[in-house]
Formats: sequence, structure tokens, C-alpha cells
Amino acid sequence: NAGVTQTPKFRVLKTGQSMTLLCAQDMNHEYMYWYRQDPGMGLRLIHYSVGEGTTAKGEVPDGYNVSRLKKQNFLLGLESAAPSQTSVYFCASRRTASSYEQYFGPGTRLTVT
Amino acid sequence: EDQVTQSPEALRLQEGESSSLNCSYTVSGLRGLFWYRQDPGKGPEFLFTLYSAGEEKEKERLKATLTKKESFLHITAPKPEDSATYLCAAPNQAGTALIFGKGTTLSVSS
Repeated sequence: NAGVTQTPKFRVLKTGQSMTLLCAQDMNHEYMYWYRQDPGMGLRLIHYSVGEGTTAKGEVPDGYNVSRLKKQNFLLGLESAAPSQTSVYFCASRRTASSYEQYFGPGTRLTVT
Repeated sequence: EDQVTQSPEALRLQEGESSSLNCSYTVSGLRGLFWYRQDPGKGPEFLFTLYSAGEEKEKERLKATLTKKESFLHITAPKPEDSATYLCAAPNQAGTALIFGKGTTLSVSS
């Protein structure tokens, strides 16, 4: 099993450009999450999904959109990138509603200039 | 308000010098306390789950313990390869997400 994978690993965008980050999991997990991690701020939840076709806002959702059209994939979109979105983005998955541990991907480092 | 707080922010140890990391939480109806290890440039790696006060879990030189208000990660005779950031987390009241502490960065020198 590959576990949780993220594409791409690195990306540089110019202000105003758009992009999509892809997260894939092969563990048949129900829940999926997108976080950003910044120095001194810890992990902050952007959006999450409790199942295929569902999404919900986390702590810092502004400027991001998500979609979960297939159970194994969770996409994070930036419509108009801003320098404040420079960060490391992590995807995570969780098996079911009754198991709370999350399993993380390797991260995507995004720089917006 | 649900909150998870870790201390210290950073800890420097000599190889073999045992110590403990602290995680305090204010979450109603705790449904588990989770410890993760994060190496630079990588995603957090799950270590332990503790469910009830008095419970202990061990893995190599690490031992996690839980009380009603806090958890400790004890590191016995650490080695340089134990250097990492250690994160603790607890489920929010709704059970939909984990609340993470900001982490303790451990550096072990030989």
C-alpha cells in the first residue's frame, strides 16, 4: 500500500495564479483532511470530508476550495493564489467515524511570489 | 474551548539524557490522545493512541502516559535519531477533526 500520496511535492506560483493539489489514499478511508503548516502556527485544518461527495470547512478555509468526487481522492484548489498561502500543505486520511487517528501524506511545499 | 498545549517548544538533550515532553488538553469527553513524530520535510507519523487515564504505551525509547488533564512522552536514553518534532492531538467535541498542539522540537546531540 502506498498509503497517502500527494501531488505535486513542490510548486511555485505567481500571485493570482490558480492550481490544484491532489491527495490520494489507497486504504479505503472514509475521512480525508487538508492542513497547512506554518512556522509557529502548527497544523491548521483547511477543509475536510467525511465521505465521498461531502466536504466541510475547517479552521482556515478562506481562499481554498475542495472536492471529493471519488472516495480515494481529495482535491484542494487555490483559485487566485496570494503570498499568504505560501505554506506546506498536508493531506491526511482517517478510517471511520469511530477511529480518530489520522495518517498523513508527505506534504506539498507551495511558494507564492 | 477545546485546546491542546505542548511544552516545552524546544528541548535539547545529550545522548543518553532522559527527559519528558508535556501535552495538556482541555477537551470535553476525551476520545483519545494521539502522539505523532514529524521529521523535517516530512508528514507527521502516527506513534500512539491513549484512551484512558493511567494507560501507557511504549515504542523503543518512547513511553507515552495519560492522566485526566495531560499526557507525557517520556524519552529514555535518547539517541540522535530521536531528534524530531513531536506533536500531540485530541479529537474535537464533534469528533470530526483532531486538534493539534504546536509541537515540541527535540534535538539530541551525541
